[in-house]
Amino acid sequence: EADIYQTPRYLVIGTGKKITLECSQTMGHDKMYWYQQDPGMELHLIHYSYGVNSTEKGDLSSESTVSRIRTEHFPLTLESARPSHTSQYLCASSGTTSGANVLTFGAGSRLTVL
Amino acid sequence: KNQVEQSPQSLIILEGKNCTLQCNYTVSPFSNLRWYKQDTGRGPVSLTIMTFSENTKSNGRYTATLDADTKQSSLHITASQLSDSASYICVVSDRGSTLGRLYFGRGTQLTVWP
Repeated sequence: EADIYQTPRYLVIGTGKKITLECSQTMGHDKMYWYQQDPGMELHLIHYSYGVNSTEKGDLSSESTVSRIRTEHFPLTLESARPSHTSQYLCASSGTTSGANVLTFGAGSRLTVL
Repeated sequence: KNQVEQSPQSLIILEGKNCTLQCNYTVSPFSNLRWYKQDTGRGPVSLTIMTFSENTKSNGRYTATLDADTKQSSLHITASQLSDSASYICVVSDRGSTLGRLYFGRGTQLTVWP
């Protein structure tokens, strides 16, 4: 079944640790995105990719980095986590429905940095 | 400034009742408007998507309306069920680029009580 998967779903780590949030999709979508969401707030785009070897920063400044070596895989890395990075991170990919760019989201990765 | 405002911020209704959620936007040039449902701890799931020429679209018990002249949309939920408890997010896309930039509302948190 075509879907988008994020791991881990929950992560609690100490300050200064390096973490990688994994995101994989099986829909063959070229476009993939990372959003950050805090409780009661809107989603903010932090990274996006239009295809392999293409990555761009989003609207919200983030100390994280991303890579797109394979179409289906779009991992996000934090080299040195801090408490300010505590948030929910949502990965998405998009195809086209009726001419519109429709996002499919993963279940999210909730990161807590102590 | 392109914005998406949703009201109410939160809503509690009894099972079986109907409700209407509102979305006002200032995004221009307008491309399309989507409603997403986000269960607690999960990623958003698309309910409907409407372009400029569409003024109503249904998905089961969910009916979305769009008035592109007044830049307003509503999501009507009929005969609510406990499983409708979730955050409902309005997302507006502009036509400023091939991708279409997305503007997210903060969501309306709906709670359905038995």
